[in-house]
Amino acid sequence: DAGVTQSPTHLIKTRGQQVTLRCSPKSGHDTVSWYQQALGQGPQFIFQYYEEEERQRGNFPDRFSGHQFPNYSSELNVNALLLGDSALYLCASREGDTQYFGPGTRLTVL
Amino acid sequence: DQQVKQNSPSLSVQEGRISILNCDYTNSMFDYFLWYKKYPAEGPTFLISISSIKDKNEDGRFTVFLNKSAKHLSLHIVPSQPGDSAVYFCASGGTSYGKLTFGQGTILTVHP
Repeated sequence: DAGVTQSPTHLIKTRGQQVTLRCSPKSGHDTVSWYQQALGQGPQFIFQYYEEEERQRGNFPDRFSGHQFPNYSSELNVNALLLGDSALYLCASREGDTQYFGPGTRLTVL
Repeated sequence: DQQVKQNSPSLSVQEGRISILNCDYTNSMFDYFLWYKKYPAEGPTFLISISSIKDKNEDGRFTVFLNKSAKHLSLHIVPSQPGDSAVYFCASGGTSYGKLTFGQGTILTVHP
């Protein structure tokens, strides 16, 4: 049984560009959350998707948007990239009160 | 506004001894708590959790203690092993929607 998967593993973009990150949850999990982890910090909640709708959102600007598909997979889109968007982006799927994380996508903005 | 704090950036322990990692929270609405372990270049791995209706939960070498009056939780690892060396995060949740608030992490090093 595959766990949470994310693609790509690494990504390098320049300021002002747009990026799309992808996530597939664990089998049977219908809720997907996205987190941003800056160097030396704990993960910060971006938003959560359930039944293809954004259900809860953290303190992130509208440049961060997402989508959930009928098969529960999800995308995170970031527009107008800033240097400060460089981070590890983590996807998690939920079972009860426990969230299971994927390996993350390392985004570098130059 | 840091609602979950891990005040020790690092901890060094000898193999076979006990490791105790601490976490404090401020939001009394949190009603479940989790510990994750993270290796470099990997996502956080779930270790153990505890609901606010309990004060202790045990799973093998890992035990989590919750003191609600002090808004404090701790993770005990006994005995510690070199493979336990990683960054440990505590996380708290307060709604059924599953948003987690994380601490900054503690780097645990277990020496052979």
